[in-house]
Amino acid sequence: DTGVSQDPRHKITKRGQNVTFRCDPISEHNRLYWYRQTLGQGPEFLTYFQNEAQLEKSRLLSDRFSAERPKGSFSTLEIQRTEQGDSAMYLCASSTGGGSNTEAFFGQGTRLTVV
Amino acid sequence: GQQLNQSPQSMFIQEGEDVSMNCTSSSIFNTWLWYKQDPGEGPVLLIALYKAGELTSNGRLTAQFGITRKDSFLNISASIPSDVGIYFCAGHGGSNYKLTFGKGTLLTVNP
Repeated sequence: DTGVSQDPRHKITKRGQNVTFRCDPISEHNRLYWYRQTLGQGPEFLTYFQNEAQLEKSRLLSDRFSAERPKGSFSTLEIQRTEQGDSAMYLCASSTGGGSNTEAFFGQGTRLTVV
Repeated sequence: GQQLNQSPQSMFIQEGEDVSMNCTSSSIFNTWLWYKQDPGEGPVLLIALYKAGELTSNGRLTAQFGITRKDSFLNISASIPSDVGIYFCAGHGGSNYKLTFGKGTLLTVNP
């Protein structure tokens, strides 16, 4: 399978715990994105990497959230001191960089439930 | 910030019928993308549009990039049960990387 891969698919955690999600983009894609989706809504942009550089962070990404993309390959999204409001589907997407081709391909998502 | 209004919110149709949904924006978009999402899965890209006025087909799906660059529509012809899902429009406005999504159209197809 050469699509975007996310792990885990589901995560249940207690409030206050830290969680980390992983995303493996399509191998030739140098852009990687994280989005968050809550029930009944479309995905909302969180952050974006061009290779290993994190170029933009949404104001939705509070100080408890951190994302990394070491070596410009896979990416991790960590949430510290989780809150019930963090419960959502976290989606990773990737695309080729630059030009007019900005088609983003999404992974299957990680469903986070904070209890 | 940029907002997308997607309509209708939901549709209930009979198998074999055609369906149309649309998206409007408060500002100009440079790209329009249409995605389909099944429950518990990530969105799957259906069609991408890059030029105002562009009309693009993918099988039974046809989408158009509005002339004003503030709207797009998606048509599905001869619907089948596997068309069931949530359809999202999305677009790039001022940036060429950050997608703004609509709230989705839930499509139900009765066999």
